[in-house]
Amino acid sequence: EAGVVQSPRYKIIEKKQPVAFWCNPISGHNTLYWYRQNLGQGPELLIRYENEEAVDDSQLPKDRFSAERLKGVDSTLKIQPAELGDSAVYLCASSPGTGGFEQYFGPGTRLTVT
Amino acid sequence: RKEVEQDPGPFNVPEGATVAFNCTYSNSASQSFFWYRQDCRKEPKLLMSVYSSGNEDGRFTAQLNRASQYISLLIRDSKLSDSATYLCVVKRTGNTPLVFGKGTRLSVIA
Repeated sequence: EAGVVQSPRYKIIEKKQPVAFWCNPISGHNTLYWYRQNLGQGPELLIRYENEEAVDDSQLPKDRFSAERLKGVDSTLKIQPAELGDSAVYLCASSPGTGGFEQYFGPGTRLTVT
Repeated sequence: RKEVEQDPGPFNVPEGATVAFNCTYSNSASQSFFWYRQDCRKEPKLLMSVYSSGNEDGRFTAQLNRASQYISLLIRDSKLSDSATYLCVVKRTGNTPLVFGKGTRLSVIA
């Protein structure tokens, strides 16, 4: 079974530029998560989707971050404009549901903003 | 105060040693507990769930103390391949997300 797929794996951009990350969850997983992981920290939730509905986006910096999950499958996370502090690994995860199910993570996108 | 706190380490131990990590959580409404493992530059993967009665999986033993609000992970007979960061994870009841600790870094040395 294919795991969570993310692209790109690495991205280097200059500050103030836009950037987008893409995630394809495991087939049949209704719940999709975007996390940000800074060096030496655990993953921090940015947004959680149940199918195509964003059910928890309280930690998403809405002035510059946006996300969508059209048709309840693939998802994109966008930053516009990027700031130096956005440098981190952006992880996508999926699970069959929210209640205690194991979350499966993708390999992440390592973003460097210069 | 962070919802989940862990000693970041690193813990440097020789092969064959027994090592234990603790993790404390602040929200008494937390109901589900997990240990995830994250290798360097890789994604986190579930190592084991933590049950109220404690549970064991091979060389790994997890325990939960609800009264003191802490979780532990014991690794016996450490292998070089156990070198990784171990993330303590908690979840409150209901439709809530996982909350990750910062992780504890383990290096097993030959």
